[in-house]
Amino acid sequence: NAGVTQTPKFQVLKTGQSMTLQCAQDMNHNSMYWYRQDPGMGLRLIYYSASEGTTDKGEVPNGYNVSRLNKREFSLRLESAAPSQTSVYFCASTQGGQPQHFGDGTRLSIL
Amino acid sequence: GENVEQHPSTLSVQEGDSAVIKCTYSDSASNYFPWYKQELGKRPQLIIDIRSNVGEKKDQRIAVTLNKTAKHFSLHITETQPEDSAVYFCAASKQAQKLVFGQGTRLTINP
Repeated sequence: NAGVTQTPKFQVLKTGQSMTLQCAQDMNHNSMYWYRQDPGMGLRLIYYSASEGTTDKGEVPNGYNVSRLNKREFSLRLESAAPSQTSVYFCASTQGGQPQHFGDGTRLSIL
Repeated sequence: GENVEQHPSTLSVQEGDSAVIKCTYSDSASNYFPWYKQELGKRPQLIIDIRSNVGEKKDQRIAVTLNKTAKHFSLHITETQPEDSAVYFCAASKQAQKLVFGQGTRLTINP
């Protein structure tokens, strides 16, 4: 039982490149989330998916897109990376009002 | 939308003393308040949470209190130990969905 798995763990991009961050959970949770954490700050919600087939914007959605591929997987895409998107990205999942479980994060640097 | 303020941003206490971290929230509809501990380079890990139908919850050396009228909640750590050193985040949400985080408190336990 791995919980929430994120890939890759580290990535360096050049401005304007695109990439997709992957997240998968094996807890049969309905809800999944993407947060970003900038240095010295709390996590901020980018997008979430309350259930398979639905997605919605969070607090800081600009520059990102998401896909809820199936119940297990929720991906985050940067279409044209910008230095302001340098951050640590965390995926989380939950079910039925229970606490959110976080993945180990993806550390993304954009030059 | 919800706004969460957390104080202090840094806290240094002697080993064995108590530590208190406070958070305020703005949305009276919020009913779920978790606390996460994050060690350097690691994922946030839930240490305790409280729902709006109770005023206090305790788990060994950790306790959380909630004042719904004043819209604030606090984390209390007693008999602090070196392994308690970390960054602590409070958060608020409705039904454990779409967490809104505070800015974090860096707690240092001095031996």
